[in-house]
Amino acid sequence: DTEVTQTPKHLVMGMTNKKSLKCEQHMGHRAMYWYKQKAKKPPELMFVYSYEKLSINESVPSRFSPECPNSSLLNLHLHALQPEDSALYLCASSQGRSPTGGRETQYFGPGTRLLVL
Amino acid sequence: SQQGEEDPQALSIQEGENATMNCSYKTSINNLQWYRQNSGRGLVHLILIRSNEREKHSGRLRVTLDTSKKSSSLLITASRAADTASYFCATDASLIKAAGNKLTFGGGTRVLVKP
Repeated sequence: DTEVTQTPKHLVMGMTNKKSLKCEQHMGHRAMYWYKQKAKKPPELMFVYSYEKLSINESVPSRFSPECPNSSLLNLHLHALQPEDSALYLCASSQGRSPTGGRETQYFGPGTRLLVL
Repeated sequence: SQQGEEDPQALSIQEGENATMNCSYKTSINNLQWYRQNSGRGLVHLILIRSNEREKHSGRLRVTLDTSKKSSSLLITASRAADTASYFCATDASLIKAAGNKLTFGGGTRVLVKP
């Protein structure tokens, strides 16, 4: 299984709602990522989990709360979002760094398109 | 922040022609990667070139890396309509030794291959 899956594919939420995005991989990867991508822009890194621990937080507002319940799952909890948070949210995974520094390829899911009203 | 700049921002070619896009970056890197994205979907990894490599091939793809100029190029030969997509370079300058690497993406090149 070489796939990263994300649910839901589309999400519309109001500014007072609480919702969660889910990401799953069964490739045995030990690093997982959340990216945010606005239209016609490159992906921007939000969070990196390494061995189920948060290793990078790119100064993301606290209304975005990541969670890694186990090595295969990654969630992004959303609360009190703003309309400017509307974007494509991409999850990715990678095998993690080997002693020789290899295995840096990231595998991306199809994304969740989020609209905040 | 965006490490890489890509040019051109958009490229329109006929099927069968070659497509070349360039990426420039600012800091020292471990490797540089190219990804493709179809119409707002997930990114697909195309090729990775390490900082000590100068050229790499994969099928119809050829990537070059010039670390002295901090630049890379991606060449797609004999393009097909299915190559229509956005192409992003991404630099890995991670210092962390733990699992996971921090990729910084360039602005992307939108390629349209007309049949």
